Amino acid sequence: QVQLEQSGADVQKSGASVKVSCRASGYSFTGTYIHWVRQAPTKGLEYMGRISPNTGSTEYAQKFQGRVTLSTDTSIRTAYMELQSLTSGDTAIYYCARGGPVALDFDYWGLGTLITVSS
Amino acid sequence: QAVVTQEPSLTVSPGGTVTLTCGSSTGAVTNSHYPYWFQQKPGQAPRTLIYDTTKKHSWTPARFSGSLLGDKAALTLSGAQPEDEADYYCLLSYYGVRVFGGGTKVTVL
Repeated sequence: QVQLEQSGADVQKSGASVKVSCRASGYSFTGTYIHWVRQAPTKGLEYMGRISPNTGSTEYAQKFQGRVTLSTDTSIRTAYMELQSLTSGDTAIYYCARGGPVALDFDYWGLGTLITVSS
Repeated sequence: QAVVTQEPSLTVSPGGTVTLTCGSSTGAVTNSHYPYWFQQKPGQAPRTLIYDTTKKHSWTPARFSGSLLGDKAALTLSGAQPEDEADYYCLLSYYGVRVFGGGTKVTVL
């Protein structure tokens, strides 16, 4: 069955960077995309971007351009989201979700990774 | 970047019907925006209910349906159940740029 297993919660200082991982199983990792979405406490969902594990091509939401880097390691079927120059506003749960053709887009989600940024 | 708007909150009686809408600051929502609808319950990851305006996943309860209503995308819940109390988010695609709505909190009361 399709599963997206995310790394555990983390606490980082303001100004630091954080890297969240998302390990895929149960489907063709290179045949789809991986989306990243975040949710600040008590707030709504916010789209960050997506990556093609097959080609490495990325698309970033305008808000995160220059501050987020998406990458993959196809040998271990894992996608990564690195966010730099953290502020308290980046405290959120970060989700990965499978992407692809319309029928597969956002059909499976990871459980989320809580990133807390402290001053 | 476009802004996607949803009702902040709606209340529905058990067994009743409620319609959530999803509008766009750029104009009418069309099938070309490939509207998605997600349900999120407290402490859980979102779950996709509707994709491509009207299509359902195998896990989508039959009481949920998607459509275009006027110049907006819509999610209709017919025969609300207590377990449908949740936050609902729409997502629109603008030539590949994806934007979430602010979400609608649905209370079944």
